[in-house]
Amino acid sequence: DGGITQSPKYLFRKEGQNVTLSCEQNLNHDAMYWYRQDPGQGLRLIYYSQIVNDFQKGDIAEGYSVSREKKESFPLTVTSAQKNPTAFYLCATTDGQGSSYEQYFGPGTRLTVT
Amino acid sequence: AQTVTQSQPEMSVQEAETVTLSCTYDTSESDYYLFWYKQPPSRQMILVIRQEAYKQQNATENRFSVNFQKAAKSFSLKISDSQLGDAAMYFCASFTGNQFYFGTGTSLTVIP
Repeated sequence: DGGITQSPKYLFRKEGQNVTLSCEQNLNHDAMYWYRQDPGQGLRLIYYSQIVNDFQKGDIAEGYSVSREKKESFPLTVTSAQKNPTAFYLCATTDGQGSSYEQYFGPGTRLTVT
Repeated sequence: AQTVTQSQPEMSVQEAETVTLSCTYDTSESDYYLFWYKQPPSRQMILVIRQEAYKQQNATENRFSVNFQKAAKSFSLKISDSQLGDAAMYFCASFTGNQFYFGTGTSLTVIP
C-alpha cells in the first residue's frame, strides 16, 4: 500500500523545546516537501529536497531544519527559534518523472506549542 | 516569487447546481502546470484536476472542469451537479521549476 506517512497526527510540546515531525514515503519519489498551513494563508513552503543529501529553503525556513539521509525519509525539526510554531504541517512528494508533477500529500501533523 | 491568487475566500452552492471558483496566477515561465486540490474536513489534500500550460484544451474530470485562459493567466474550476461531498477547501496551485505555489484557498459550502 503505497503512500506517505506522517506521525503523529497530533503533537504537543512546551515552548522552548525542539520537536521533530516524521515523514516517510514508499512511493519511490525523488522530491519531498514540507509545508505549513495556517488559517487564511494557504500552504507555505518550508523546505524541499530533490535528491538525497540535498535540500533547499522555501519561503519560511527560519526556525526549521531538515535532513534527507534516505530517499524515503524527510524529517522536519521545529526549533525553539521558530516564533509561532503552532500550525498544521503537511509533507508532500512529487514523482517528477514523465509529465505528471502531481504532488502527493501525507495526512498532516497538527503541532501545538504552549 | 510566483503568486497564485484566489479572490473568493468563501463560496456556496445549492446541491445539484454549478459553481465556479476563480484563480489567477503570475508567472514569467513558459513551461508550467496548474492544479486544483481539494481539502475536506479530514485535511487530506486530494488532487481534483491538472492542466499542462502547453495544452490549449481545457482539462475535465467527470463533474470537474477548468477554464484555462493562458493569456489572462486565469485558471477557474467549474463544479457541475454539486454534491454534499464537494464541500471542502479548494486550493489552486502552480508548478514550475522545482516548486509549487498555492493560493489561499476557497471554502466551498454545499447547501442541501
